[in-house]
Amino acid sequence: GENVEQHPSTLSVQEGDSAVIKCTYSDSASNYFPWYKQELGKRPQLIIDIRSNVGEKKDQRIAVTLNKTAKHFSLHITETQPEDSAVYFCAASKAAARQLTFGSGTQLTVLP
Amino acid sequence: DTGVSQNPRHKITKRGQNVTFRCDPISEHNRLYWYRQTLGQGPEFLTYFQNEAQLEKSRLLSDRFSAERPKGSFSTLEIQRTEQGDSAMYLCASSLGTDGIQYFGAGTRLSVL
Repeated sequence: GENVEQHPSTLSVQEGDSAVIKCTYSDSASNYFPWYKQELGKRPQLIIDIRSNVGEKKDQRIAVTLNKTAKHFSLHITETQPEDSAVYFCAASKAAARQLTFGSGTQLTVLP
Repeated sequence: DTGVSQNPRHKITKRGQNVTFRCDPISEHNRLYWYRQTLGQGPEFLTYFQNEAQLEKSRLLSDRFSAERPKGSFSTLEIQRTEQGDSAMYLCASSLGTDGIQYFGAGTRLSVL
């Protein structure tokens, strides 16, 4: 089955700096890669996703890049703000509506 | 709130008891998923339904676990003879169509004493 590894497990940045979280996956059949943000005690919320026919996708301060050959994808957050502090999970799947395999999460702390 | 709704939010039970959780998906979403999340980990897939049909089950879903979605709307997840290792957050998600994004509920936190 699919295995997703996520690094780092914790990340602290100064407000205004950029943050990068990296994930690798094992199943070459995976072609859908979402990122979820989970604040303490709240539900995971999708912040951005990418499909395998695209190498990069951007939404305001958030971007995701995908390298299918190397089987890794990354989340980039620019101009970080304190409200970006949360746990971020990457995931991989054969399709959006199939089972998601999640990474173990990254606790991002943005220091004011 | 028109999002995914889960009840109860918290459940405390004694080892050996049976528990049942309910999930109400977003209206008209035909796919419904159950995941389990333990502290410090990402959600782990348990099972999912398309309408009332259970299409996939994880090996994590032991014989003590059963999920139903009898009318293709809400779903229930039952755990029989609970064990302390069942303590976790149980998350439900729903999506529309075969290429739809999964939207999560806030979860049911189970504590087995």
